[in-house]
Formats: sequence, structure tokens, C-alpha cells
Amino acid sequence: QKEVEQNSGPLSVPEGAIASLNCTYSDRGSQSFFWYRQYSGKSPELIMFIYSNGDKEDGRFTAQLNKASQYVSLLIRDSQPSDSATYLCAVTEFGGYQKVTFGTGTKLQVIP
Amino acid sequence: SQTIHQWPATLVQPVGSPLSLECTVEGTSNPNLYWYRQAAGRGLQLLFYSVGIGQISSEVPQNLSASRPQDRQFILSSKKLLLSDSGFYLCAWSTGGKEPQHFGDGTRLSIL
Repeated sequence: QKEVEQNSGPLSVPEGAIASLNCTYSDRGSQSFFWYRQYSGKSPELIMFIYSNGDKEDGRFTAQLNKASQYVSLLIRDSQPSDSATYLCAVTEFGGYQKVTFGTGTKLQVIP
Repeated sequence: SQTIHQWPATLVQPVGSPLSLECTVEGTSNPNLYWYRQAAGRGLQLLFYSVGIGQISSEVPQNLSASRPQDRQFILSSKKLLLSDSGFYLCAWSTGGKEPQHFGDGTRLSIL
């Protein structure tokens, strides 16, 4: 069974610090990788996606992918209290259809 | 741009009553459509997916069914709700392949 593992947290960081969220996946055939942010009581919102090894930056967010080690990470620079949410890692394989496996999420708390 | 609409936002139903949740997507054609359930404090569980009109695949055996009567309409149904059907139901769409899934606002279902 394909798995996506995340530390449930909570991960507490002070405002202005860098938050580092990690995710490992079991299926070496995985081909695309996503990070979603989910505020309490709300639906997941896509914030980053990455397809190739290396880093991808978008504003304060950087996604990092290492396929050899089967891990994906999300860095949030200059963390803000509004970043406090649960972050879901998602991994996709596709053949007949696009199947996404979600991790259970890491809860991030940014302390003012 | 594409948008996804899901309703109702909240629903309280007695055990044994029927259920119908609807999801529609605008701004794209022939999307892949998905129904997920998220139990309190848990991860996303894929319930059904559809790659075209009338094409429904079920991921887990359950008390629910899904239908896709039109290209951009996806319906989740039950004839008789169980207490265990409570949860946060999310509809999502994607264009398939490497592209990410995008979620509706969700329906919070409580069974009494």
C-alpha cells in the first residue's frame, strides 16, 4: 500500500522564523508532489507543486524534492501567525487515472 | 478561470435518512472529479473518482454511491445514512496527469 508520511506536530515556530515541514513517500513511481494548506474547518488549498528534483521557490514558500531519498519538504520563510494551519503533503502517480495519496498533515503553529 | 461549487456547506441529518451532495465545476471541460471524506482529525479518504460522464470508480466499500450525470456535475448519494457517515465531504477536480487537484469548500455532515 502506497503511503505518505508526515509528522503530525504541532510544529511551533516563532513569528519571523523559518518553518520546515517534511514528508516521505513509499512509491518510487510517484511523479508529482503537492503541498496543501488547510485551515481549521476549511478545505485544502494548493500552495506549491513540484515535479523535478531540487528546489522550487514561490514567494515565502520553497518546496524541495529528493526522489532518491523519497522525501519532499516545504520551507516557509518569515513565518506569520496567518501561516498557522495544517499542511498536507500529496503525492501523485498516474496511469489510467490520476491517483493522489495524501499524508495526514502537519499542524503548524506560528507564535507571535 | 476554473471554479468549483459544492453545496450545502453544512447538513444535519437523522440516521436512516437519504443524502444528496452536489458538486459542479465551471471553466473546464472533461475534468477528473473526486469525492473525499475527512473524518475529524484524520486524513483524506478517497471515496469515488470519475474520468467521464457515467464513469464512476469506488475506492472503498461503503454506504455511499456517486453519479456523474453531466460533464461537470458530480453527485454523492446515500439511501440510508449511518452514524459513521459523519464527516467533512470534499469534492475536487483536476485535468489529470501531473496537474494538482483543486477542492471545493466542502460539506460538513453530521448524523444524529
